[in-house]
Amino acid sequence: AQSVAQPEDQVNVAEGNPLTVKCTYSVSGNPYLFWYVQYPNRGLQFLLKYITGDNLVKGSYGFEAEFNKSQTSFHLKKPSALVSDSALYFCAVRAYGNNRLAFGKGNQVVVIP
Amino acid sequence: GAVVSQHPSRVICKSGTSVKIECRSLDFQATTMFWYRQFPKQSLMLMATSNEGSKATYEQGVEKDKFLINHASLTLSTLTVTSAHPEDSSFYICSASAIEAFFGQGTRLTVV
Repeated sequence: AQSVAQPEDQVNVAEGNPLTVKCTYSVSGNPYLFWYVQYPNRGLQFLLKYITGDNLVKGSYGFEAEFNKSQTSFHLKKPSALVSDSALYFCAVRAYGNNRLAFGKGNQVVVIP
Repeated sequence: GAVVSQHPSRVICKSGTSVKIECRSLDFQATTMFWYRQFPKQSLMLMATSNEGSKATYEQGVEKDKFLINHASLTLSTLTVTSAHPEDSSFYICSASAIEAFFGQGTRLTVV
């Protein structure tokens, strides 16, 4: 079985401050990890992925995430949040060889001007 | 990145009618596509896996006769909501995968 936990419902951050969105996962075998962002009434946009290699991965719009195998975490980060980053963020995981994704419940990020 | 196009973006239909939603992978071939349903402020719920040239695989609790899926080519999957009822009103999203999944823009279905 594969699953994702995003423990917070909403993350509030002041514009210009660092943004962190937490994600922990459970999967059998090597994980493929992903972050997506969703704006209202839109599909999900791909931000970044971890497959193998460097634990720190950089993605779109200045986002990055760090894979931590011992803590089974893949937290999303951005050094300086923008108001336009306000959206719903989903962490997802799948095992190597499995094409079905498991999603977290999503985190609403609110960046306060 | 790869593009998945979903159409229509929103549709309003009367109870009892059927609605077809199309999902196209524009720049890669997708032997497998996925259909999700999303309720307000909630995560995506996988409805079914669409397999090119064969029957779709439905998740437990999803009525296959209600939600008809056709995946006739490597670039097109369709979801038809048959005999729609107000409780079918929702946001439907498709995806196609390379290593990462690429998602359509979503379809807001309202049944009146």
